Amino acid sequence: EAQVTQNPRYLITVTGKKLTVTCSQNMNHEYMSWYRQDPGLGLRQIYYSMNVEVTDKGDVPEGYKVSRKEKRNFPLILESPSPNQTSLYFCASTIWAGVNSPLHFGNGTRLTVT
Amino acid sequence: KQEVTQIPAALSVPEGENLVLNCSFTDSAIYNLQWFRQDPGKGLTSLLLIQSSQREQTSGRLNASLDKSSGRSTLYIAASQPGDSATYLCAAEDPNTGNQFYFGTGTSLTVIP
Repeated sequence: EAQVTQNPRYLITVTGKKLTVTCSQNMNHEYMSWYRQDPGLGLRQIYYSMNVEVTDKGDVPEGYKVSRKEKRNFPLILESPSPNQTSLYFCASTIWAGVNSPLHFGNGTRLTVT
Repeated sequence: KQEVTQIPAALSVPEGENLVLNCSFTDSAIYNLQWFRQDPGKGLTSLLLIQSSQREQTSGRLNASLDKSSGRSTLYIAASQPGDSATYLCAAEDPNTGNQFYFGTGTSLTVIP
């Protein structure tokens, strides 16, 4: 089944403890991206990647890191999480950007930082 | 920067009614406009994608239109059903910012049996 898989689904952590949220897609998509969803603010793009080894900042990159060492995986890294990073996170992918292909989303990761 | 707005934030209708959800965007230079459905605790599911050169797209009871000149898109749902209850989001793919996707805050739809 074609899908985007995020792990974990739920994560509770403490301020400053490094964490990684994994994202994997099995559709051979070039474009992958990360979003956070907050009440009243909608989905905001954190980082995106047009291809392997190519990553760019979205609108809210502060406090996050990403890497794209292989096509299928695009992990989101929080080196020193803070309470304002408590949010619902989504990974998404599409074939290419700019070729009118739909975004495919993972089921989300709900992160709580205390 | 592209800004996407959805009004209303919430909508409640009786079953069987036809309804329209609205999406507006500030920069008409978009690749496409996508409509998604989000169920509680789930990710977003793509419903329709309208290319910038198109005026509308249809899938079953759903019809989405796009008017780039006025910066507006609408999602029309015919003969609504309780199973249509969800949050509907629109997103614009913007070539001016490196192909980022900009989302509205969504319309929460409740269809009452």
